[in-house]
Amino acid sequence: DTAVSQTPKYLVTQMGNDKSIKCEQNLGHDTMYWYKQDSKKFLKIMFSYNNKELIINETVPNRFSPKSPDKAHLNLHINSLELGDSAVYFCASTPLEGYGYTFGSGTRLTVV
Amino acid sequence: GDSVTQMEGPVTLSEEAFLTINCTYTATGYPSLFWYVQYPGEGLQLLLKATKADDKGSNKGFEATYRKETTSFHLEKGSVQVSDSAVYFCALGAYNFNKFYFGSGTKLNVKP
Repeated sequence: DTAVSQTPKYLVTQMGNDKSIKCEQNLGHDTMYWYKQDSKKFLKIMFSYNNKELIINETVPNRFSPKSPDKAHLNLHINSLELGDSAVYFCASTPLEGYGYTFGSGTRLTVV
Repeated sequence: GDSVTQMEGPVTLSEEAFLTINCTYTATGYPSLFWYVQYPGEGLQLLLKATKADDKGSNKGFEATYRKETTSFHLEKGSVQVSDSAVYFCALGAYNFNKFYFGSGTKLNVKP
């Protein structure tokens, strides 16, 4: 199936740990994103990569570091996790021409 | 800057009722407009889109018309079903689509 897939779907971890979320798309899209959805369902863009190059880096703590080994993958690494990092993180991709995102199914991160 | 404002929820309706979820936008240039739907526990799915003024997007009985004069893109459905219960996001795709602006989401609860 063509899709944006992200793993894991659920992640429960303790404060201070380091964790990664992986994202892969097989749609041939050029641009990939990470969004954070808070408890009120508000979506906020974190990062955007176009062909492995960072093009958007919103006001996100340095503890969050995206890595794009190739244009089909955009992983999110989070250091020193904090309670406030608990949220659902969505990966997405768009073709260069835009016209809408394809989203992954989300990773629910719970920091305890 | 560009932004999207949509009505706060939750919206609670009985089955077969008429649905309207308001969405207005602020943008420079000529953006494309979208509605996304997020079913419980799932990622966002594109519901419909409109790429220029007076276009009407439609899908699964939902409709929205791109109104430049009122800067609106209200979502409507003539007869909602319980299965339509979800969170609905209005979104704006700016000039180069490197940034999407999402509304805050409106939760719809449809009761039998």
